Amino acid sequence: NAGVTQTPKFQVLKTGQSMTLQCAQDMNHNSMYWYRQDPGMGLRLIYYSASEGTTDKGEVPNGYNVSRLNKREFSLRLESAAPSQTSVYFCASSGTGAQPQHFGDGTRLSIL
Amino acid sequence: GNSVTQMEGPVTLSEEAFLTINCTYTATGYPSLFWYVQYPGEGLQLLLKATKADDKGSNKGFEATYRKETTSFHLEKGSVQVSDSAVYFCALSAYNTNAGKSTFGDGTTLTVKP
Repeated sequence: NAGVTQTPKFQVLKTGQSMTLQCAQDMNHNSMYWYRQDPGMGLRLIYYSASEGTTDKGEVPNGYNVSRLNKREFSLRLESAAPSQTSVYFCASSGTGAQPQHFGDGTRLSIL
Repeated sequence: GNSVTQMEGPVTLSEEAFLTINCTYTATGYPSLFWYVQYPGEGLQLLLKATKADDKGSNKGFEATYRKETTSFHLEKGSVQVSDSAVYFCALSAYNTNAGKSTFGDGTTLTVKP
């Protein structure tokens, strides 16, 4: 009963390093999302994917890229990490229409 | 566009107290409404939902009623426990929203003291 699985759970990077956060879901959902959560800021949508092969920008896409590798997997890449990208990153998925989202447990990323 | 406004926190209650967390929304059409809960170190989990006006969602002693006339979806629980300490998010998803995107409130932190 995995649901949404994110890897890694924790990561520390140096400024300028690159990294890919992985996300996979086993619920056959069409839509997938990447959020960041900062203290006092709630959830902010970075990118989303309505279906395999499509991606769209959310509220805060700058400094990030995504790939919807197949229906199950949706990765988030930081090409050149900056301290402002220190955050907790959540991946989520949902079915078509006005459905609830299912979240992973998050990746806690620190950039020094 | 769509928006969700939640009661600001943090909220601190004693065990067995009554809980209300207010949530109001703005949306075109008829959205589905959700409450999510986030425990420390975890992702958000769906707590309850309502898909049309006057529906009542309920789970684990929590309830919320979809009020179209007041555009509200307030979360209530009659007697909170220490284990209810968490962050609560109100959210909506509209059928006309691309990719089923949801709009989330900013979250309300609840602390229940023994």
